[in-house]
Amino acid sequence: AQTVTQSQPEMSVQEAETVTLSCTYDTSENNYYLFWYKQPPSRQMILVIRQEAYKQQNATENRFSVNFQKAAKSFSLKISDSQLGDTAMYFCAFMKEGNNDMRFGAGTRLTVKP
Amino acid sequence: DAGVIQSPRHEVTEMGQEVTLRCKPISGHDYLFWYRQTMMRGLELLIYFNNNVPIDDSGMPEDRFSAKMPNASFSTLKIQPSEPRDSAVYFCASSKTYTEAFFGQGTRLTVV
Repeated sequence: AQTVTQSQPEMSVQEAETVTLSCTYDTSENNYYLFWYKQPPSRQMILVIRQEAYKQQNATENRFSVNFQKAAKSFSLKISDSQLGDTAMYFCAFMKEGNNDMRFGAGTRLTVKP
Repeated sequence: DAGVIQSPRHEVTEMGQEVTLRCKPISGHDYLFWYRQTMMRGLELLIYFNNNVPIDDSGMPEDRFSAKMPNASFSTLKIQPSEPRDSAVYFCASSKTYTEAFFGQGTRLTVV
């Protein structure tokens, strides 16, 4: 079974600064997908970014980017120019190719301070 | 598309009562998932369906929990009888093959 580990239960960052959230995963699969979801206080789960394992290039979405290290099984999320609206729980997720079975880490609570 | 629609948004029930949570997935999505979120256990996958067929229900905690998907546009998660430890936020999500899951707003269940 695949496991996803987020070792930082809570983090904080000053507005406009950069923060990196960590995620590691364990799998014997070669083809898979990785995701970061954001859950603000409204509790809606919102997709932030996705990465296909077969792609070497790190995914980027505006202020959000990932550092995908396949050999190390690491998938960190970098948030640049942090904004107050980035305050949320962030979940890392793994999906094996072929069955859409998505597994989540425990989450990191990020607080952006003014 | 309106997204994944869950009802009710909030449910308060007494221990021992039957609870039914409902979900309408996004049209055209062939996967449907039920997750439970608690502070202690985080997001747990309870069961998922592919083309209306249950594929993996190993996350269903007990026989008190059951889920059905009678057609491509509707699914239910039923708890009978409910217990206080079932209190949680229950999410329904749907996806197409090889794509990310889209989540509903969740149902906050409180069993007193």
